[in-house]
Amino acid sequence: DAGVTQSPTHLIKTRGQQVTLRCSPKSGHDTVSWYQQALGQGPQFIFQYYEEEERQRGNFPDRFSGHQFPNYSSELNVNALLLGDSALYLCASSWTAMSEKLFFGSGTQLSVL
Amino acid sequence: AQKITQTQPGMFVQEKEAVTLDCTYDTSDPSYGLFWYKQPSSGEMIFLIYQGSYDQQNATEGRYSLNFQKARKSANLVISASQLGDSAMYFCAMREGRGTGNQFYFGTGTSLTVIP
Repeated sequence: DAGVTQSPTHLIKTRGQQVTLRCSPKSGHDTVSWYQQALGQGPQFIFQYYEEEERQRGNFPDRFSGHQFPNYSSELNVNALLLGDSALYLCASSWTAMSEKLFFGSGTQLSVL
Repeated sequence: AQKITQTQPGMFVQEKEAVTLDCTYDTSDPSYGLFWYKQPSSGEMIFLIYQGSYDQQNATEGRYSLNFQKARKSANLVISASQLGDSAMYFCAMREGRGTGNQFYFGTGTSLTVIP
């Protein structure tokens, strides 16, 4: 039973570029959330997708957008990258949007130069 | 105000000893959930234990227990019989309300080192 998988594991971009991160939820899960974890900090909620719609959003600008596909996988897109976007991006999945337990992937380490 | 506060940036514990990691939270919502996650160097966040605000008893999961003191708004994690594999970052987190999705608020974490 595969857990939450994320790709790529590492990514290097330059300022102003755009990036797409991908996430496949744990088998049987239909809800995906994305978190940003800056170095030395705890994860911060970006948004949540359920039934292919953004259901909840944290305090992140519109440069951060996402998508959920019919197979429940998800993408996180970040436009006009800033140096401050360098972080570990974690995807978490659960069964339904109100599950008490989140399962996390190992993350994508994004470096913006 | 911070939703979750972890005041111990780093902790050391001798192997086989118990250790307590501190967490305080701030919410005005009567319904909330408290969580502890472990993050090894691989980056994955591993769920350890959950406590609901209406739960009367402290949660336990194997060697992990959560010391829930509602009036003090604290939710400390106790790890008994520490093992070398327990060395990792530990994050306390909270979700407010019911039916509010998966917006978890995380603390800044505590780095635990288990000494042989």
